[in-house]
Amino acid sequence: SAVISQKPSRDICQRGTSLTIQCQVDSQVTMMFWYRQQPGQSLTLIATANQGSEATYESGFVIDKFPISRPNLTFSTLTVSNMSPEDSSIYLCSVGEGFGANVLTFGAGSRLTVL
Amino acid sequence: AQTVTQSQPEMSVQEAETVTLSCTYDTSENNYYLFWYKQPPSRQMILVIRQEAYKQQNATENRFSVNFQKAAKSFSLKISDSQLGDTAMYFCAFTPSTDNYGQNFVFGPGTRLSVLP
Repeated sequence: SAVISQKPSRDICQRGTSLTIQCQVDSQVTMMFWYRQQPGQSLTLIATANQGSEATYESGFVIDKFPISRPNLTFSTLTVSNMSPEDSSIYLCSVGEGFGANVLTFGAGSRLTVL
Repeated sequence: AQTVTQSQPEMSVQEAETVTLSCTYDTSENNYYLFWYKQPPSRQMILVIRQEAYKQQNATENRFSVNFQKAAKSFSLKISDSQLGDTAMYFCAFTPSTDNYGQNFVFGPGTRLSVLP
């Protein structure tokens, strides 16, 4: 299965600042996904990152708050902008794999704490 | 819309015992995949087991097995000979078979499993 490297692993940020999370995959993939996992909660899809086009955002998430880049088939970044304590979460990068991409493989996640 | 429900927020089991985690789902799709993912304190989401809906035989991976009841839309996970390393959050997940790239996964709320020494 694909190996996904995600960084930073964790960070403590000040309110009002922005942080960019990087996701590197060891193989070319069509779609990359960014999930948010708030404390004690399940996974919520933020957006799908497509190479060569704008990311597709889920309801409740907007590009101004979570800008995404996808410059090639192995790399993506998610920026969390103008952070507030409510943005304290684990952010997970993932890709679809297997026949029909019926399995999601995840990076190790980035734990952000906003003070 | 698909939904996944896990009715047990927390469970505990003694080491070496067997535990069953419950999952139910709702869908109008006929062909789909079901999954159990494990998330230990390290945060890494790890695929435990996968079941294809058109296969009647229950999937098994070493100490992990599922009881898939398609008509009841039930998909429980049995962990045999529980080990301390099984302590984690367990998420049940669903995706329709028409999902070609991973874009339509639905995750349940999770069950926190503690294995006690």
